[in-house]
Amino acid sequence: AQTVTQSQPEMSVQEAETVTLSCTYDTSENNYYLFWYKQPPSRQMILVIRQEAYKQQNATENRFSVNFQKAAKSFSLKISDSQLGDTAMYFCAFMWSEGTSYGKLTFGQGTILTVHP
Amino acid sequence: GAGVSQSPSNKVTEKGKDVELRCDPISGHTALYWYRQSLGQGLEFLIYFQGNSAPDKSGLPSDRFSAERTGGSVSTLTIQRTQQEDSAVYLCASSFQGGRGHEQYFGPGTRLTVT
Repeated sequence: AQTVTQSQPEMSVQEAETVTLSCTYDTSENNYYLFWYKQPPSRQMILVIRQEAYKQQNATENRFSVNFQKAAKSFSLKISDSQLGDTAMYFCAFMWSEGTSYGKLTFGQGTILTVHP
Repeated sequence: GAGVSQSPSNKVTEKGKDVELRCDPISGHTALYWYRQSLGQGLEFLIYFQGNSAPDKSGLPSDRFSAERTGGSVSTLTIQRTQQEDSAVYLCASSFQGGRGHEQYFGPGTRLTVT
């Protein structure tokens, strides 16, 4: 079974600065997807960014980008120009692309990010 | 359009009672997922429905847990003889298709407290 590890329980950053959240995972599969989800205090999980393992190019969504290192099984999230609305818990998640675990997400423990004014 | 909705938003029940949690997925989404979020266990998969296929129940923690999806739409998660360790936030998600990296859209969750 695959595991996802987020080693930073809490992070903080000043508004307008850049912060990087770490995620590592363990799998023997070659085809899979990786995600970062955001959960603000409202509890609503929102997709931040998605990466397909077969793509070498790192995904980017506006201020959010990832550093995907497939060989190292690392998938970090960089948030540039941090905003107060970025304050939330961030989850890294893994999805197999086939097989018996097809479709379901395996989540890391989460990182609480606080953006200070 | 409307997102995933869940009801109730909060539920307090006594140990030993049965509870039903409801999920209304986004219209047209064929895949539906239940997850549980608790302080001790984090976010964990419970069950997955994909179209007319048999559901993947591999994440259900015990036989006290069951789920149905009627007409390929609404789903109900039932917990029988609730225990204190069942206290958690139960999240439902749906996606256009199962797997294939499709985004899962989450509902706001039901916070279950077993006293």
